[in-house]
Amino acid sequence: DIQMTQSPSSLSASVGDRVTITCRASQSISSYLNWYQQKPGKAPKLLIYAASSLQSGVPSRFSGSGSGTDFTLTISSLQPEDFATYYCQQSYSTPSITFGQGTRLEIK
Amino acid sequence: QVQLVQSGAEVKKPGASVKVSCKASGYTFTSYDINWVRQATGQGLEWMGWMNPNSGNTGYAQKFQGRVTMTRNTSISTAYMELSSLRSEDTAVYYCARCVAAHISTLNWFDPWGQGTLVTVSS
Repeated sequence: DIQMTQSPSSLSASVGDRVTITCRASQSISSYLNWYQQKPGKAPKLLIYAASSLQSGVPSRFSGSGSGTDFTLTISSLQPEDFATYYCQQSYSTPSITFGQGTRLEIK
Repeated sequence: QVQLVQSGAEVKKPGASVKVSCKASGYTFTSYDINWVRQATGQGLEWMGWMNPNSGNTGYAQKFQGRVTMTRNTSISTAYMELSSLRSEDTAVYYCARCVAAHISTLNWFDPWGQGTLVTVSS
């Protein structure tokens, strides 16, 4: 199985900060990498697909980059509604997919 | 709008089975695979398996092989996930998600997700 490792596991930041979350795959997955946001008590929501494509309706302050084994999710200017948990997901080994362990973004 | 609506919370005893439903609307049900993902309280996301609603073909994560069955009823655009031999460690929120694929590649992603169904296993 392809293992996905996110860092950091948790992060404290302030409104207006620029934040970067990293996801590393245990083998090359090309651009088969998606990012989801999950708020407490809610289902995950797709933010970024295919490593860098912004899902319709998602604010442009979110961006994704990377290919191969190393990927990043960047929030350019944190807003209050962005405090949530973020997950990366690889779909290279579809249908057997795996998620990262999550990064919890908290208010400083 | 595209939507997946899941059945309500369940409480089961150890050893029992649970069947969760996921009703699709706003798109052609048979055109997109349905995946199931679970999340224990305070934990991450765990993929369980997939089903092609058109063919009925399925694939399960090795961890759940022999205990999970994914089926569908195309006449009512509903997918089902049944988990048997329940144990306390199966207490979790179970999500269904539509798998969307790019037109000219095998890139794919999950969108949207159902609202989740809490399954509690307790004696």
